[in-house]
Amino acid sequence: QKEVEQNSGPLSVPEGAIASLNCTYSDRVSQSFFWYRQYSGKSPELIMSIYSNGDKEDGRFTAQLNKASQYVSLLIRDSQPSDSATYLCAVTATGGSYIPTFGRGTSLIVHP
Amino acid sequence: EAQVTQNPRYLITVTGKKLTVTCSQNMNHEYMSWYRQDPGLGLRQIYYSMNVEVTDKGDVPEGYKVSRKEKRNFPLILESPSPNQTSLYFCASRGFTGLAGGGTHEQYFGPGTRLTVT
Repeated sequence: QKEVEQNSGPLSVPEGAIASLNCTYSDRVSQSFFWYRQYSGKSPELIMSIYSNGDKEDGRFTAQLNKASQYVSLLIRDSQPSDSATYLCAVTATGGSYIPTFGRGTSLIVHP
Repeated sequence: EAQVTQNPRYLITVTGKKLTVTCSQNMNHEYMSWYRQDPGLGLRQIYYSMNVEVTDKGDVPEGYKVSRKEKRNFPLILESPSPNQTSLYFCASRGFTGLAGGGTHEQYFGPGTRLTVT
């Protein structure tokens, strides 16, 4: 059974701070890793994809992947109240049906 | 604009009255899925489809049916809805991005359908 674990939170950070969201996964053959942002009552929105070890930066977002530790994280720099949402981690293995396994999400609250 | 659409967005119905939620994507994706999302349970996959006429059960298929007669459409059918199927439903499609040494699928979600069965 593939598992993706996230701390449910809420993670509360002040505006302007760095928010750090973490995700661990159990399947060692996992190859692709995704972060989604979901506002309450809305659909998940893909914000980051990462496929190789190291860091990937896109604007205020940085995804970090460590396959040896089976760990992927998302850093949000200069957090804004509009970043308040639930962040879902998703993991897929290469080959087969590419079905992503989702974590249950971490709730982030950015307070002014 | 590349998108996944769902209809209706909101639906209130009664137990036992058959309903269909439509899903359509304009990205020529092979893979499509249906999820339900409930508080504390996260996203749970109901059914998925790898191509036209190819479907398979996800984690929670009981009480649901799907069909994939065309690549762009993947409707979700509730033959006899019950109150425990009250939920927020998402359709999703996955596109293949070819990468050196392999490829990956990035998944995109529709806007969601909030279903209430009384």
